[in-house]
Amino acid sequence: DVKVTQSSRYLVKRTGEKVFLECVQDMDHENMFWYRQDPGLGLRLIYFSYDVKMKEKGDIPEGYSVSREKKERFSLILESASTNQTSMYLCATLGGGRAFSYEQYFGPGTRLTVT
Amino acid sequence: LAKTTQPISMDSYEGQEVNITCSHNNIATNDYITWYQQFPSQGPRFIIQGYKTKVTNEVASLFIPADRKSSTLSLPRVSLSDTAVYYCLVGDPSSASKIIFGSGTRLSIRP
Repeated sequence: DVKVTQSSRYLVKRTGEKVFLECVQDMDHENMFWYRQDPGLGLRLIYFSYDVKMKEKGDIPEGYSVSREKKERFSLILESASTNQTSMYLCATLGGGRAFSYEQYFGPGTRLTVT
Repeated sequence: LAKTTQPISMDSYEGQEVNITCSHNNIATNDYITWYQQFPSQGPRFIIQGYKTKVTNEVASLFIPADRKSSTLSLPRVSLSDTAVYYCLVGDPSSASKIIFGSGTRLSIRP
């Protein structure tokens, strides 16, 4: 089974802090995603990466950056956390190339609170 | 990008069959239809995917008419544990950037 792990289930940070959210997958998937989920808004794509060091902006990239130095790890960075970034953050993977699947695998999520 | 429209919420009772319809009028030739289920405090989980006609697995069935402008997720004999949010997605499997989640349908199952 695909396993997607996120570094923390719950995180509390102060406004202005730099925040790192880590995601690790064990299935050698090319594609990795970061979403945020807020009540009534569904899942919104922040960034995704289709290969090491490759990334594309999603629908709401403002205030975020990402890093993918290794295939199995995709990090979301909040350069200066703000209260409007309080949310549930979900990481997902998707197989590509010959292993293509349209089935995304999600991590358990990180509930971030910025005070 | 094909946009989807689903009911915001639905209610049903244990043992009933539940059908959730998704509208996707501008679906493209290469687009597939995928449904996910999400429980509170968890990430979404893949349920089923199809391109046309009918697809069935151990969890659900997916009905897609010939024009592909809509699809229906069918959950047979639901139980309380089927209470969740269900998302319909439409997109080209070869383009990871085009996976878009809508707001989903909140399904509540009552005893």
